Amino acid sequence: ETGVTQTPRHLVMGMTNKKSLKCEQHLGHNAMYWYKQSAKKPLELMFVYNFKEQTENNSVPSRFSPECPNSSHLFLHLHTLQPEDSALYLCASSPRTSLPETQYFGPGTRLLVL
Amino acid sequence: GNSVTQMEGPVTLSEEAFLTINCTYTATGYPSLFWYVQYPGEGLQLLLKATKADDKGSNKGFEATYRKETTSFHLEKGSVQVSDSAVYFCALSLDSGGYQKVTFGTGTKLQVIP
Repeated sequence: ETGVTQTPRHLVMGMTNKKSLKCEQHLGHNAMYWYKQSAKKPLELMFVYNFKEQTENNSVPSRFSPECPNSSHLFLHLHTLQPEDSALYLCASSPRTSLPETQYFGPGTRLLVL
Repeated sequence: GNSVTQMEGPVTLSEEAFLTINCTYTATGYPSLFWYVQYPGEGLQLLLKATKADDKGSNKGFEATYRKETTSFHLEKGSVQVSDSAVYFCALSLDSGGYQKVTFGTGTKLQVIP
């Protein structure tokens, strides 16, 4: 148990659906991250939030929309996704963005887009 | 840009065999280097790190030495166990506009058979 939980753990959606991924951390951290993990590709950083403010958007398509209502919760809203968006989506948190080795990762949401 | 290259897996070893997973990097600057491990169904966890040339990171019997001259950070373990079966990610971090941006490799899956 790393203190970072993600729901749902598995999600299947059609290309016209709208769904949301949720991440919650109970560690008192101030920074939260979304990563995309695809087979045979490097782990891709998608978004970074620091004290609820987005500090990094790594050229992510607008069909992915993050939301960070407070330092403990992070959402990823999905709409009109493509099959190539199927992947494992990992959430992470850290005390602050200056110490990457202190990132704690959640178990991920396995997304399949049909 | 920055990048991390790892050997492709899966790597299959018998218990008590010697493990080496190669990692080389390209970076504009002087990065910190990390190895993360992802056990089945879990998120990534920091395994070890090194912040300057010739530093050796170690944890749980795993070691890696920061080699600036060869831009490498190979992971080694003298005697692997079945419980070491996981995906191993090499990563680097560099300052990016005030925060440490982490760049990951593709991951190398290790399977240890009894």
